[in-house]
Amino acid sequence: GAVVSQHPSWVICKSGTSVKIECRSLDFQATTMFWYRQFPKQSLMLMATSNEGSKATYEQGVEKDKFLINHASLTLSTLTVTSAHPEDSSFYICSARDWASGPYEQYFGPGTRLTVT
Amino acid sequence: AQSVTQPDIHITVSEGASLELRCNYSYGATPYLFWYVQSPGQGLQLLLKYFSGDTLVQGIKGFEAEFKRSQSSFNLRKPSVHWSDAAEYFCAVGAGTASKLTFGTGTRLQVTL
Repeated sequence: GAVVSQHPSWVICKSGTSVKIECRSLDFQATTMFWYRQFPKQSLMLMATSNEGSKATYEQGVEKDKFLINHASLTLSTLTVTSAHPEDSSFYICSARDWASGPYEQYFGPGTRLTVT
Repeated sequence: AQSVTQPDIHITVSEGASLELRCNYSYGATPYLFWYVQSPGQGLQLLLKYFSGDTLVQGIKGFEAEFKRSQSSFNLRKPSVHWSDAAEYFCAVGAGTASKLTFGTGTRLQVTL
């Protein structure tokens, strides 16, 4: 149980285009989803927290107009990187939790590697 | 605000040797503590967690961790390392509101045969 998937697993896009990454909870209802960014050989940096049906809460320093997060259903959240640039290249990981999750417990997706050329 | 320190960036051990990965946290109360493992290009897998109770917790893959309040530590241990344990290990703390986790910088484990 508690499986989270991400699609695509890797994507290459051209500078200036937008790319959407999907995060799905496969066997539970995700009341809260989190989006992280991880640079090579570095830790995970929380970008934003989203609750189903509400606007995402972005961490300080994260451009909300560049990283659009939508959590329209209890099983799907999307991250859209708008007008991508090479510096947006990174590994993006989502996680999710539900009503039954233990305190601070999150289930992580496998990640999406974005390369902007 | 809470913080997590993993003092060792990179550790190399021989297969069959014991392992201890260090984690120190900073938080005013008892936090919720986690250890995750990440293989290259993959997401995070939960190894174990501590919320309360017995300070020695058992996890998957033969790992255990001990919570020491006096030292603000939550070190991860394994008595005998296998080559497949080579990965990145992250300690995380959950504290405050919004169910957010704060991650340490990670320790990369290399296992030599």
